[in-house]
Amino acid sequence: KQEVTQIPAALSVPEGENLVLNCSFTDSAIYNLQWFRQDPGKGLTSLLLIQSSQREQTSGRLNASLDKSSGRSTLYIAASQPGDSATYLCAVETGANSKLTFGKGITLSVRP
Amino acid sequence: EAGVVQSPRYKIIEKKQPVAFWCNPISGHNTLYWYLQNLGQGPELLIRYENEEAVDDSQLPKDRFSAERLKGVDSTLKIQPAELGDSAVYLCASSFRSGTQYFGPGTRLTVL
Repeated sequence: KQEVTQIPAALSVPEGENLVLNCSFTDSAIYNLQWFRQDPGKGLTSLLLIQSSQREQTSGRLNASLDKSSGRSTLYIAASQPGDSATYLCAVETGANSKLTFGKGITLSVRP
Repeated sequence: EAGVVQSPRYKIIEKKQPVAFWCNPISGHNTLYWYLQNLGQGPELLIRYENEEAVDDSQLPKDRFSAERLKGVDSTLKIQPAELGDSAVYLCASSFRSGTQYFGPGTRLTVL
């Protein structure tokens, strides 16, 4: 059974800091890995999707990397801003039915 | 383009009462998902539809939960009777085939 772990559960940083969010998964047989953002009381917004054959994806100040063999992914946020405050969830897709398995998320607070 | 629409956004009921949630996916998306998200947890898949067919309902507690997608467009998730432990956020997502999933804002259910 696939398990996705995100540690720590919460993180607080000052504005402008570069930061890394970690995600690990137990079964390396994945189709892809996604990072989502969830604001309080809202649904999930997909930030980046990395196919199993890829090593990284970039979008603006966000960069996600994937090391499938070691079961790890990182989300790098450059020059963090208060507007980046949210919960960031990692999810891996496995199986023929495109099943997404989510981590519990990391709640990020960026202090002005 | 409109996103995934869910209603109601909030619902408070007493235990043993029935409740229903509605989801309208993004136009053209043939795959629809219902997820359950408990507080501090990542979403967990309840059921996945390909058009009208439920292709993965292995995590749906069928003794009290039911879902339908009669015309392959919008969908309804029902709980009857609701229990205290059903208090959670119910998320709907849609995708074109097995592509990126787009999430709705969710319905927050409170069972008293």
